[in-house]
Amino acid sequence: DAKTTQPNSMESNEEEPVHLPCNHSTISGTDYIHWYRQLPSQGPEYVIHGLTSNVNNRMASLAIAEDRKSSTLILHRATLRDAAVYYCILRDVYTGGFKTIFGAGTRLFVKA
Amino acid sequence: DAGVIQSPRHEVTEMGQEVTLRCKPISGHDYLFWYRQTMMRGLELLIYFNNNVPIDDSGMPEDRFSAKMPNASFSTLKIQPSEPRDSAVYFCASSPGTSHEQYFGPGTRLTVT
Repeated sequence: DAKTTQPNSMESNEEEPVHLPCNHSTISGTDYIHWYRQLPSQGPEYVIHGLTSNVNNRMASLAIAEDRKSSTLILHRATLRDAAVYYCILRDVYTGGFKTIFGAGTRLFVKA
Repeated sequence: DAGVIQSPRHEVTEMGQEVTLRCKPISGHDYLFWYRQTMMRGLELLIYFNNNVPIDDSGMPEDRFSAKMPNASFSTLKIQPSEPRDSAVYFCASSPGTSHEQYFGPGTRLTVT
């Protein structure tokens, strides 16, 4: 499985945008980029996924570099509730099936 | 929908005892996953099922661990005998085959003394 690299932690101010980076230089053409987050004392929660094009949903936006070797999860207005560990995961749905490998993720701190 | 249901939420047991963790996936989801989370190793996939059949159990650490899915609405993860190093939070997740999303349960915190 291709690996991802994320900063250990980031800090943001409440109501400001947050850009969480993820590097995946060995990504294959069939790897989907998934983002999950884990709030304190809870199970992980799906945030967004994409393949090549940028994606938006009610929670966040996903910006994917043209060469697909990096991506950025964008929270448009951080709230205190967004303080969590954010995981960037690659999954090859064609060869890897549903096998999902979580890395260490980025711990996001949000200041009031 | 109640989401993925796991029981018990907390389990404390002594080394050598058998432990059984239970999971009820979201109705209609045909994939079920068992994960383990520790501070040292992070979140690890142990095994996953499709239509009640185990597809990949390469993450199961030892023969002491076993998982079953007797029907579409119930799965168990059993540890026998348990050891202190099995202490962790165990998550169950389910997913419809047509979706990329996995829906996680609240987890079972296992402490083996």
